[in-house]
Amino acid sequence: AQSVTQLGSHVSVSEGALVLLRCNYSSSVPPYLFWYVQYPNQGLQLLLKYTTGATLVKGINGFEAEFKKSETSFHLTKPSAHMSDAAEYFCAVSDPGGSNYKLTFGKGTLLTVNP
Amino acid sequence: KAGVTQTPRYLIKTRGQQVTLSCSPISGHRSVSWYQQTPGQGLQFLFEYFSETQRNKGNFPGRFSGRQFSNSRSEMNVSTLELGDSALYLCASSSTGTGTEQYFGPGTRLTVT
Repeated sequence: AQSVTQLGSHVSVSEGALVLLRCNYSSSVPPYLFWYVQYPNQGLQLLLKYTTGATLVKGINGFEAEFKKSETSFHLTKPSAHMSDAAEYFCAVSDPGGSNYKLTFGKGTLLTVNP
Repeated sequence: KAGVTQTPRYLIKTRGQQVTLSCSPISGHRSVSWYQQTPGQGLQFLFEYFSETQRNKGNFPGRFSGRQFSNSRSEMNVSTLELGDSALYLCASSSTGTGTEQYFGPGTRLTVT
């Protein structure tokens, strides 16, 4: 079974600082990778995804992530944090060798942005 | 295009009762997946439907069931509710094709007392 590990259940940064949220997956076959964001009392919104091709993926709201197969990682970054980025972030994988419609999620990282 | 809609948004039920949640996918999406979100277990996959057929199922007891209608709308049912069923239930829809992302609805917050 696949698993996703998000290091740090809570990350706190200052406004304007770099945001780095870590995600590692376990899979013998490179999966499809996703980052979602969840604001309080809302569903999940897709930030970006990696399927194939370029390993540096750009998403919405200035976020990007890099797929590193050798490290089985898909860390999410943003150069400069904004107050509106405060939310919970989830890394997810789906197995291209199996079902494309069953996502396995990490436990989530709560991002706090301090003024 | 309208997003994924879920009804009701909030629900309070008593142990032992049953509940039905509804999900309307984005127009043209034929795949609907359901997830349970709790503080302890996080986000867990329940099941996925495509063209009225259940294609995938997560590791949940048989009290959790679902169905999909010909217009792709989906319902999930939980019978004999337990306190531990209190959660946010999220529905997601996607189009066909590999690597397509899932679009999530706002969820139904179920509280079992």
